[in-house]
Amino acid sequence: KAGVTQTPRYLIKTRGQQVTLSCSPISGHRSVSWYQQTPGQGLQFLFEYFSETQRNKGNFPGRFSGRQFSNSRSEMNVSTLELGDSALYLCASSGQGAGDEQFFGPGTRLTVL
Amino acid sequence: DQQVKQNSPSLSVQEGRISILNCDYTNSMFDYFLWYKKYPAEGPTFLISISSIKDKNEDGRFTVFLNKSAKHLSLHIVPSQPGDSAVYFCAASSNTDKLIFGTGTRLQVFP
Repeated sequence: KAGVTQTPRYLIKTRGQQVTLSCSPISGHRSVSWYQQTPGQGLQFLFEYFSETQRNKGNFPGRFSGRQFSNSRSEMNVSTLELGDSALYLCASSGQGAGDEQFFGPGTRLTVL
Repeated sequence: DQQVKQNSPSLSVQEGRISILNCDYTNSMFDYFLWYKKYPAEGPTFLISISSIKDKNEDGRFTVFLNKSAKHLSLHIVPSQPGDSAVYFCAASSNTDKLIFGTGTRLQVFP
């Protein structure tokens, strides 16, 4: 069974731009969660999508948004990028939900200059 | 407000010895706890979990202990191997809500 895949793996953007990250979950998993990892902050939960609906949301500004398609693939969008958005963005899928065992992708390393 | 805390950013252990990674939490509603391991350039991988109805769970060299009264979780790795060198995250959830992660502990196992 293929694991969680994320594209692109690396991205460099400048302040004010927007970015879209993509995630394909494990086949059969309907729950997709997104996390931001920065040094010293661990993994911060962004949001969870289940069956194309946002089911859970963390404490991030509205510049961070996402969506999920009917095939469970998910995208995350960040608008008006700030320097502090530089981080590793991880996508995870689960057969149950955001509170259960998560299977993580390799992440997208975003650098904002 | 950090609900899940890993107060040791790093730990260095000799090969063959025991590694003990600690995690404290503040939310008494947490009922499910997990440990993840992360290598550089890879996503975290699930290691072991424990529900609040248990106080110990073992899987091979890995044992997780839960002390609910102290709101403390620990991961024991015995014996430690160089391949265990990674960043370890503990995580907790309440009633299948989202996982709350700690900030991670970098474990280095040296020969």
